[in-house]
Amino acid sequence: DAGVIQSPRHEVTEMGQEVTLRCKPISGHNSLFWYRQTMMRGLELLIYFNNNVPIDDSGMPEDRFSAKMPNASFSTLKIQPSEPRDSAVYFCASRGASGSPYEQYFGPGTRLTVT
Amino acid sequence: AQSVTQLDSQVPVFEEAPVELRCNYSSSVSVYLFWYVQYPNQGLQLLLKYLSGSTLVKGINGFEAEFNKSQTSFHLRKPSVHISDTAEYFCAVSRPSTRTDKLIFGTGTRLQVFP
Repeated sequence: DAGVIQSPRHEVTEMGQEVTLRCKPISGHNSLFWYRQTMMRGLELLIYFNNNVPIDDSGMPEDRFSAKMPNASFSTLKIQPSEPRDSAVYFCASRGASGSPYEQYFGPGTRLTVT
Repeated sequence: AQSVTQLDSQVPVFEEAPVELRCNYSSSVSVYLFWYVQYPNQGLQLLLKYLSGSTLVKGINGFEAEFNKSQTSFHLRKPSVHISDTAEYFCAVSRPSTRTDKLIFGTGTRLQVFP
């Protein structure tokens, strides 16, 4: 099993640019989570999907952030326009409906730097 | 609503010494409890979980945790730590009532093991 795949691993962009982060969950998993981690705020849940449907997006900071899950094997988190305060590590995690249903498997993260 | 408090932001310890990382939770309903570990520049990995049954839970890498309902605690312990245990440790809680629920993470405890 390849695990959760995130791309890119590192992204450096200038303020005002659009940024798209990508995630491929573990095959067969039906829940997907996007987190943001910073020194100041720790680990924050941004949004999560169940069966490709957004269940809770209350953690999305503002309208500049949007997330989609067009199918069970792919999700994107988009920031437009980006700002320096968006600099963080963004994690994607997935969870299965059977086996250990409450265990989330995390990807390696995307380190975003907005200058 | 559930919440998690990790009482120590940093725990320094010498190699081969025992360690305890503290976690308290708040919830008006029964909960599932988890400990995750994050090694430098990596995503989070599940150490152990309590869903039901025995209150003493054993996880990977020699870690264990004890669920104490009366004290609403789920402290993580290891009798003898190694340098390789240096990492950030997160306690998390989830409601068992629905499979679509999210994890609520604590702010993390950084374990630093010295030679």
